[in-house]
Amino acid sequence: ETGVTQTPRHLVMGMTNKKSLKCEQHLGHNAMYWYKQSAKKPLELMFVYSLEERVENNSVPSRFSPECPNSSHLFLHLHTLQPEDSALYLCASSPWGAYDGYTFGSGTRLTVV
Amino acid sequence: SQQGEEDPQALSIQEGENATMNCSYKTSINNLQWYRQNSGRGLVHLILIRSNEREKHSGRLRVTLDTSKKSSSLLITASRAADTASYFCATDVGGSEKLVFGKGTKLTVNP
Repeated sequence: ETGVTQTPRHLVMGMTNKKSLKCEQHLGHNAMYWYKQSAKKPLELMFVYSLEERVENNSVPSRFSPECPNSSHLFLHLHTLQPEDSALYLCASSPWGAYDGYTFGSGTRLTVV
Repeated sequence: SQQGEEDPQALSIQEGENATMNCSYKTSINNLQWYRQNSGRGLVHLILIRSNEREKHSGRLRVTLDTSKKSSSLLITASRAADTASYFCATDVGGSEKLVFGKGTKLTVNP
């Protein structure tokens, strides 16, 4: 375990479903990130939170809705997804900034049917 | 947008051989980092090299950075089957708090 826990590990959802991905860290980090990893594409940064405030939304469609209720928890709420949204969703945390490296969770493998 | 680009895309070697992966990037950076990802899992931070450093070692890993050529290399010496994974370079874009990753090099170490 890296100290960043993501649940669930696998998720299959229909296009009309609503589901949420959860990320939790107890490393004392104050920045958290959502990345999307699709086959044969670089990791795509989706959202950045610093001290529970969203500081980056990388042109992500509104069917993805992040929530950061405190510095230890990060959610990604999903609704009316498309099959092309199927991917590995990775959460990461760090002390603020990219200066010391990120700690990643194991990811949630999402399949949209 | 993609900042780092790894080369080669795939590399297959025998156990005991050295593996070298390269990364090129486009804009100024404060640091460059290398990560490893085992199949379908999260990324693990390996090593960070700052823009004012030219070489760094950690165990069997050696990283070089050439800011004039905007390139870095990761050398894994005496490779083991357990080193089989994808390796990514990541850069902070212009000193920002974000990390931008390349597509990665898939390394296979055959026993």
